[in-house]
Amino acid sequence: KQEVTQIPAALSVPEGENLVLNCSFTDSAIYNLQWFRQDPGKGLTSLLLIQSSQREQTSGRLNASLDKSSGRSTLYIAASQPGDSATYLCAVLDAKAAGNKLTFGGGTRVLVKP
Amino acid sequence: DAGITQSPRYKITETGRQVTLMCHQTWSHSYMFWYRQDLGHGLRLIYYSAAADITDKGEVPDGYVVSRSKTENFPLTLESATRSQTSVYFCASRWTPNNEQFFGPGTRLTVL
Repeated sequence: KQEVTQIPAALSVPEGENLVLNCSFTDSAIYNLQWFRQDPGKGLTSLLLIQSSQREQTSGRLNASLDKSSGRSTLYIAASQPGDSATYLCAVLDAKAAGNKLTFGGGTRVLVKP
Repeated sequence: DAGITQSPRYKITETGRQVTLMCHQTWSHSYMFWYRQDLGHGLRLIYYSAAADITDKGEVPDGYVVSRSKTENFPLTLESATRSQTSVYFCASRWTPNNEQFFGPGTRLTVL
């Protein structure tokens, strides 16, 4: 059974510092990996989708890498801002799971201090 | 507006009552999903649907019923609400397995 882990569960950084968020998964047979952002009391916003054939994906200050063989993905957020404070979740689409369902990590809660 | 909408956004009900949460998407996505999010448990899949009239159970289906007569709608019904069903419910949709999954804004349900 696929398991997705995000460590640390919480992270606090000063404004301007680069953020590095980690995601690991146990089964490398995935279709893709998706990073989401969730603000308190809100829904999940899709940030980046990396297909299993890709090594990285970029959008503005965000860059996500994928290493399928080691079961890891990293989300980099450059020059963090207080508005980046949120919970970040990663999710994998397991190639072996029926119904094309995402398996989510527990999330990393980020606080960017001014 | 385009996207996924959920209604109601907030609902308070009593134990034993039937409650229906609505989900509507304007993209004609094939796949739709219902999740619940609880502290300590993260996101858990309740039911999903690969197309109209095709639904299947997720991790925690007990006490819930879904239907999908139209591609754009995927209502979730709690047949007899229990306090353990107090949660935030999210609907999501996706076009194909290899596309991004998008989430609605959520419904906060409280069962007294």
